[in-house]
Amino acid sequence: KAGVTQTPRYLIKTRGQQVTLSCSPISGHRSVSWYQQTPGQGLQFLFEYFSETQRNKGNFPGRFSGRQFSNSRSEMNVSTLELGDSALYLCASSLESRGDTDTQYFGPGTRLTVL
Amino acid sequence: AQKITQTQPGMFVQEKEAVTLDCTYDTSDQSYGLFWYKQPSSGEMIFLIYQGSYDEQNATEGRYSLNFQKARKSANLVISASQLGDSAMYFCAMRGFSMEYGNKLVFGAGTILRVKS
Repeated sequence: KAGVTQTPRYLIKTRGQQVTLSCSPISGHRSVSWYQQTPGQGLQFLFEYFSETQRNKGNFPGRFSGRQFSNSRSEMNVSTLELGDSALYLCASSLESRGDTDTQYFGPGTRLTVL
Repeated sequence: AQKITQTQPGMFVQEKEAVTLDCTYDTSDQSYGLFWYKQPSSGEMIFLIYQGSYDEQNATEGRYSLNFQKARKSANLVISASQLGDSAMYFCAMRGFSMEYGNKLVFGAGTILRVKS
């Protein structure tokens, strides 16, 4: 079974631009979560989508948004990019969002650099 | 609120020896799950092992075992017979078992492990 895939793997943008990152979960997985990883703040939860609905959201500004499609694929969008948005963005998928023993499996990440 | 603390920024271990990576947690939840992930320099987070708060036995997965001490709120990862390929960043994470948390994982700062030959 194929793992979680993320595209693109690398992105370079300039301040003020917007960016869209894509995540395809493991086949059959319905929950997709996004995390931001930076050297200063570590790994931080952005949001989770389950059955096309946002189930949970982390403490990030409204410039960060996401959505999930009927095939469980998810996208996240960052508008008006700032230098501090430079990070590794990780997507994780799991079977269900029931808060039980469900394990999240991560993709390889998208490394975003904002100049 | 949930919090994970990993007090060892970096660790060295000799190849073929065992190593323990420390993790303590804080939560007011009665039910929760604890996870360990490995992140090589490539960036991908690799799931290693899971321990539920109500599991009476410590979890084991091959060379990985989790030393769970609930009263001390610790969930240390033990890697036996270290290999050069074990060199990576290791993260401890937890998730509460309620719809409030959904699938949100809270991570520690991580421990860099270097295996010496």
